[in-house]
Amino acid sequence: QVQLQESGPGLVKPSETLSLTCTVSGGSISTYYWSWIRQPPGKGLEWIGYIFSNGRTNYNPSLRSRVTISEDTADNQFSLRLSSLTAADTAVYYCARGVAGTLFDHWGRGTLVTVSS
Amino acid sequence: DIVMTQSPDSLAVSLGERATINCKSSQSVFHSSNNFNYLAWYQQKPGQPPKLLIYWASTRESGVPDRFSGSGSGTDFTLTISSLQAEDVAVYHCQQYFGIPAFGPGTKVEIK
Repeated sequence: QVQLQESGPGLVKPSETLSLTCTVSGGSISTYYWSWIRQPPGKGLEWIGYIFSNGRTNYNPSLRSRVTISEDTADNQFSLRLSSLTAADTAVYYCARGVAGTLFDHWGRGTLVTVSS
Repeated sequence: DIVMTQSPDSLAVSLGERATINCKSSQSVFHSSNNFNYLAWYQQKPGQPPKLLIYWASTRESGVPDRFSGSGSGTDFTLTISSLQAEDVAVYHCQQYFGIPAFGPGTKVEIK
């Protein structure tokens, strides 16, 4: 059974860069698509981007200038970096596995990131 | 970009009664090369991540009770819970995976 677990800081200052890691167990990240998705408190879900097949990436155009997703196949992890943070980036951040690209069949439990000074 | 809308924003249904949620995409999500609608439904309970219920508009994910069903094609889709159970209280999201993936704003289902 595939399991995903997000890790990273819960509080980040405005203008700084957020770094989160997703650790995958029960399956290799060398197959499927691996996404980051976020949900501001009380709001809807927003896809951030994915990584697949030897490091190829695709990002939401609305965030592309600030996002980098990378992978560490040795540790079966993938990571998110989101720069130039503002309060609008406060959200629960999920990592998820994508089949058929961006159909999400397994999700992490999510981690709340608050952007505040 | 394809924008997803849902109606209603929330609904209250008596136990054992039918719940119907509508989802509309701003462009068709039907792919003529394979005759599939790239539309999924997720259930999200408080404090939990979304759970995949339905994909390809009408295919139930393994383990999902058969009281959940999806229908529709092109731009208009429906999720139906045929007989609402207490454990179905949740927010339901539709999502298109035809282009840049996008989710609907969610519909909150409660017990009347």
